[in-house]
Amino acid sequence: GAGVSQSPSNKVTEKGKDVELRCDPISGHTALYWYRQSLGQGLEFLIYFQGNSAPDKSGLPSDRFSAERTGGSVSTLTIQRTQQEDSAVYLCASSPNPLGYEQYFGPGTRLTVT
Amino acid sequence: SQQGEEDPQALSIQEGENATMNCSYKTSINNLQWYRQNSGRGLVHLILIRSNEREKHSGRLRVTLDTSKKSSSLLITASRAADTASYFCATDENQGGKLIFGQGTELSVKP
Repeated sequence: GAGVSQSPSNKVTEKGKDVELRCDPISGHTALYWYRQSLGQGLEFLIYFQGNSAPDKSGLPSDRFSAERTGGSVSTLTIQRTQQEDSAVYLCASSPNPLGYEQYFGPGTRLTVT
Repeated sequence: SQQGEEDPQALSIQEGENATMNCSYKTSINNLQWYRQNSGRGLVHLILIRSNEREKHSGRLRVTLDTSKKSSSLLITASRAADTASYFCATDENQGGKLIFGQGTELSVKP
């Protein structure tokens, strides 16, 4: 079946602009995660959804970052007033159950802020 | 925050040799997982070992877990050039399944 998809695959934006990153999880997966991978910081957890609610937002680096999930499916990660330090690969993953299962990752969105 | 520390950071071997990567972590865990990443994009799950398990095998992969030392190792036997990738350990601290990743080991297998 289809895996996790993310769009766009690449995004170049000017500093100060807002961006939206989209994640389509595997159908039926209730848990959805966003991670960020950047040089020098490795892979960092950002936010976790169980259904449409986000019990854990602890990894969001600032209030410029927000995310939502609708219909227990698609999720969007929004970054407002982008800064150069936001440049990274943003990875989405889904899991059939949040309790101790493997996660299925999408190909990521490479964000470059100029 | 990064919990897992991996070593070595980079490993270069010849095809047919075995590759061993190590991971250490700091807190109690529900399980530990190993992932592979090619070309800095999506991660692929390799194997999951639960906190009450000590060793697990999957094909050419062998994972060990020592909860008393808070460490794990990944062994790839009879390596192939196609195994060239970055390998990450990730711990699940039973907080909704979020994973805390190590910095990764970059493996290069030369034909």
